[in-house]
Amino acid sequence: GEDVEQSLFLSVREGDSSVINCTYTDSSSTYLYWYKQEPGAGLQLLTYIFSNMDMKQDQRLTVLLNKKDKHLSLRIADTQTGDSAIYFCAEYRLHNRLAFGKGNQVVVIP
Amino acid sequence: DAGVTQSPTHLIKTRGQQVTLRCSPKSGHDTVSWYQQALGQGPQFIFQYYEEEERQRGNFPDRFSGHQFPNYSSELNVNALLLGDSALYLCASSIGLAGQETQYFGPGTRLLVL
Repeated sequence: GEDVEQSLFLSVREGDSSVINCTYTDSSSTYLYWYKQEPGAGLQLLTYIFSNMDMKQDQRLTVLLNKKDKHLSLRIADTQTGDSAIYFCAEYRLHNRLAFGKGNQVVVIP
Repeated sequence: DAGVTQSPTHLIKTRGQQVTLRCSPKSGHDTVSWYQQALGQGPQFIFQYYEEEERQRGNFPDRFSGHQFPNYSSELNVNALLLGDSALYLCASSIGLAGQETQYFGPGTRLLVL
């Protein structure tokens, strides 16, 4: 991805929480996103956060944004087997262009 | 309400050939962006079409070209295919050029170049 970094792999037991991290470099980004990609599928928008927010909660998903450190995280509570996928963070660039990280594969162990 | 659709789902070509991929945006969306996702990588922005014109372009050679039709659907053309063009090609649609949270992706076309 363009200047968006993610760790590569996470395994988690079903029912536990999982946390995925991302760092970005464009401090002018107005929106930051989390996308989910299941095997052989396209990208599903999970959630997004506006840059003037520190936290956003959406059911089992919690997004934390630290603008000072340009750090974004996604916490999935009560992780389920259906959460096994690759998760991409992305930052909004000018005119609706997205810059993605390389993704973080999450494997949920039953 | 159909989401973003892409065709074909899979494609196999040989080096030097040309390929055309198609995308129909989500109903009500007028902007189409194309991304290339190589195996194990995140999507890379190729270009974006709005009002039938290319509005911005990523770091891709001129072998990659596109078109948008009056009904907002779009085509991605790749000439003189290289092995490195093997990837999943994703189309995303949105409204206008500032629809930050409303960008939706299609299932992609998986291209294999032999």
